[in-house]
Amino acid sequence: GAVVSQHPSWVICKSGTSVKIECRSLDFQATTMFWYRQFPKQSLMLMATSNEGSKATYEQGVEKDKFLINHASLTLSTLTVTSAHPEDSSFYICSALIGLAGVSDTQYFGPGTRLTVL
Amino acid sequence: AQSVTQLDSQVPVFEEAPVELRCNYSSSVSVYLFWYVQYPNQGLQLLLKYLSGSTLVKGINGFEAEFNKSQTSFHLRKPSVHISDTAEYFCAVSYNQGGKLIFGQGTELSVKP
Repeated sequence: GAVVSQHPSWVICKSGTSVKIECRSLDFQATTMFWYRQFPKQSLMLMATSNEGSKATYEQGVEKDKFLINHASLTLSTLTVTSAHPEDSSFYICSALIGLAGVSDTQYFGPGTRLTVL
Repeated sequence: AQSVTQLDSQVPVFEEAPVELRCNYSSSVSVYLFWYVQYPNQGLQLLLKYLSGSTLVKGINGFEAEFNKSQTSFHLRKPSVHISDTAEYFCAVSYNQGGKLIFGQGTELSVKP
């Protein structure tokens, strides 16, 4: 069964509005979660690393004020796209670092969220 | 810079034929290696991983991969593919346990009847 869930699975919004995407680790605690962005027919681009109880670490070129990440609990991280514009339209995927044997060594991915900004 | 190269962007193959998806990485240090599969409009599903130990790793859906340190490769194989294996496959490497993943460009496997 699924280890990581995302909500919503798809969202359409108007330009200038903000959108929040949730990433939940089901039945497992995940101190670290990752947020990726994927354009059509391309690979995943890491946006940021989210650690529970601390500030996220953003990759070079990712605007931290535009993509707000909050990791308030061991099972939930959120990504908020603020003042969204059409160029923010993409497939956003989160992952949780989970070690089923007690060692966190593998990322398990959520099903993704398709964001379309009109 | 550390990188992962998937040598084939597209691999067409007939049903029940064997397949190999190639992956090479650049590194002079120990690595952790992963193969993920992505079906259309879905997230990534872990196929298999190499962390240490035996260099031949068996995963789900009949896939296996072999870690070759001297050739810095981690090729994915399946002896007989099914239509349902049609998907995008990503090779990824991490340079420390629990660290960031660096993904290859992906290989689109297309299985034809």
